[in-house]
Amino acid sequence: GQNIDQPTEMTATEGAIVQINCTYQTSGFNGLFWYQQHAGEAPTFLSYNVLDGLEEKGRFSSFLSRSKGYSYLLLKELQMKDSASYLCAVEDSNYQLIWGAGTKLIIKP
Amino acid sequence: ETGVTQTPRHLVMGMTNKKSLKCEQHLGHNAMYWYKQSAKKPLELMFVYSLEERVENNSVPSRFSPECPNSSHLFLHLHTLQPEDSALYLCASSQAIGKGGTEAFFGQGTRLTVV
Repeated sequence: GQNIDQPTEMTATEGAIVQINCTYQTSGFNGLFWYQQHAGEAPTFLSYNVLDGLEEKGRFSSFLSRSKGYSYLLLKELQMKDSASYLCAVEDSNYQLIWGAGTKLIIKP
Repeated sequence: ETGVTQTPRHLVMGMTNKKSLKCEQHLGHNAMYWYKQSAKKPLELMFVYSLEERVENNSVPSRFSPECPNSSHLFLHLHTLQPEDSALYLCASSQAIGKGGTEAFFGQGTRLTVV
């Protein structure tokens, strides 16, 4: 079966760095997405990785290792507004998105 | 108005009621989606429409009935729901289906409670 695993919840301190991991087992691979979802809001796109390596976008970076079925989202200089759920999703061989359950990130002052 | 708009934002309905959820996108996209989001569970894809044709129906019970009258509008008609259908229903759109890396734009969702 197809499976995406990510931690249910993480806590970090304002100004610090946090890494949210995502491992996947899917029928084929056409890319991996990270979305951010604030409570009661729409998920919004953060990043897309299809090749191995690190993609940096401001305070947020996303890493992919296809051989390991592994990705992480790295958030630097954490701000209170970064408190949200972070959703990992993989595009399978049919370009269908397989979603993880999301990681709720709590930022403390 | 831009983006993806869903109405209503909140809905409480009895098990014998009939109601409809509405989604509208102003992005010129060709594909639209209905997702169900339950607490601590992955997003569940329910229906996919491409150019107003339904291309995906992921074994969704018939008490959920989608309608796509044009590429900008999508409805989800609800009839004789069960309490376990209570969830956040999200609409999304994208430029097309079957293309890698196509970003999906989501609406804010309808929080549905079935009593």
